[in-house]
Amino acid sequence: DAKTTQPPSMDCAEGRAANLPCNHSTISGNEYVYWYRQIHSQGPQYIIHGLKNNETNEMASLIITEDRKSSTLILPHATLRDTAVYYCIVAGLYGNKLVFGAGTILRVKS
Amino acid sequence: GAVVSQHPSRVICKSGTSVKIECRSLDFQATTMFWYRQFPKQSLMLMATSNEGSKATYEQGVEKDKFLINHASLTLSTLTVTSAHPEDSSFYICSADAPPGLAGGRSSYNEQFFGPGTRLTVL
Repeated sequence: DAKTTQPPSMDCAEGRAANLPCNHSTISGNEYVYWYRQIHSQGPQYIIHGLKNNETNEMASLIITEDRKSSTLILPHATLRDTAVYYCIVAGLYGNKLVFGAGTILRVKS
Repeated sequence: GAVVSQHPSRVICKSGTSVKIECRSLDFQATTMFWYRQFPKQSLMLMATSNEGSKATYEQGVEKDKFLINHASLTLSTLTVTSAHPEDSSFYICSADAPPGLAGGRSSYNEQFFGPGTRLTVL
């Protein structure tokens, strides 16, 4: 079973920041938080990951709470192409299988 | 870099036939590959973990005799759906575990690269 819970869906206006929350209250000390997204009928795409510090890359920012029980993925300027299902996953660092939960359907609207 | 391909992208077959799906890592070697299945409007479900040169590890509830996995080389894993039936119709997706530092020089982490998926329809 997935160790994360996410809202089933969210809407966001184009050009605005999209903030996607994730709860992972049972995360263990050596597990990372990963975010993937899946655009319709395609394979999932890696977005970002983190352990305890906030992370930023060219796609998004990841904010992890100090107790590591929850996190937020931030897409700073959402575009229509960001419409997808976003999955928050906790897993180890190397060679561990990813268990996908239901994810959040993000709809970016013009 | 780090591209994973799947072939075929779409297949339609008759009930009772067997279908083979290939998953290739095009520009890196993957000691571990994963196979997922996704039904419409549902999430990805891990079917099995495939390690090069050894038997695959199947998730609970997945029939290993029905879903044959072969990982004969570091760049190729195959999934064969034997005696396919309409209930096997699904979107099958593979992923490959990339070696540390592959993706643009970033630090080592468990980044899995996913294939584009194979849509199987069994009539």
